Amino acid sequence: QVQLVQSGAEVKTPGASVKVSCKASGYTFTTYPLHWVRQAPGQRLEWMGWIKPDNGDRKYSQKLQGRVTITRDTSATTAYMELSNLRSEDTAVYYCARQGPRAFDTWGPGTTVIVPS
Amino acid sequence: QSALTQPASVSGSPGQSITIPCTGTSSDVGAYNYVSWYQQHPGKVPKLMIYDVSDRPSGVSNRFSGSKSGNTASLTISGLQAEDEADYFCLSYTSTSTWVFGGGTELTVL
Repeated sequence: QVQLVQSGAEVKTPGASVKVSCKASGYTFTTYPLHWVRQAPGQRLEWMGWIKPDNGDRKYSQKLQGRVTITRDTSATTAYMELSNLRSEDTAVYYCARQGPRAFDTWGPGTTVIVPS
Repeated sequence: QSALTQPASVSGSPGQSITIPCTGTSSDVGAYNYVSWYQQHPGKVPKLMIYDVSDRPSGVSNRFSGSKSGNTASLTISGLQAEDEADYFCLSYTSTSTWVFGGGTELTVL
């Protein structure tokens, strides 16, 4: 079955970077875009960016442009999200989500990133 | 890109119907039929409930329906059940090839 498995929780100091991975299985990795979405405690879902695994095209939210980088390794069927210059406001659960034929149809379990103030 | 506008909370009694609006602009909700809705229970992963404005994935109850008029999309839940109590988020594609979520609506079943 289609599955997205994410890397484990991270605790980072302000100013550091974090890189979260999302390994896809159960479908052809290059067929569907992958998105990254985050959710701060008690807050709304926030779209961060997406990548098209077939050609590597990517787009980021205006808010995070310059701090976020999304990459992929097609041989490993894995996408990565790196967020730099971390601040306390970046404390959140980070999800990867597949944009299948029917919107964001499969989500990873989430990766908690904590940046103490 | 500002978040799409949703009411912070709605409530209804079991068996009733409720509608959650999601208001955007002519550059997102009004421009494309790529509006989807997600249900999220506390501490859980979001679940797709409606895609392409009004289509329902297999396995989702037909009590859930979606529609759109102009720059506002809506999610309607009929025959409310206790298990429907959750947060609901809308999502839209935008004219800048990005995506934007709504602020989320907390549904309480009284």
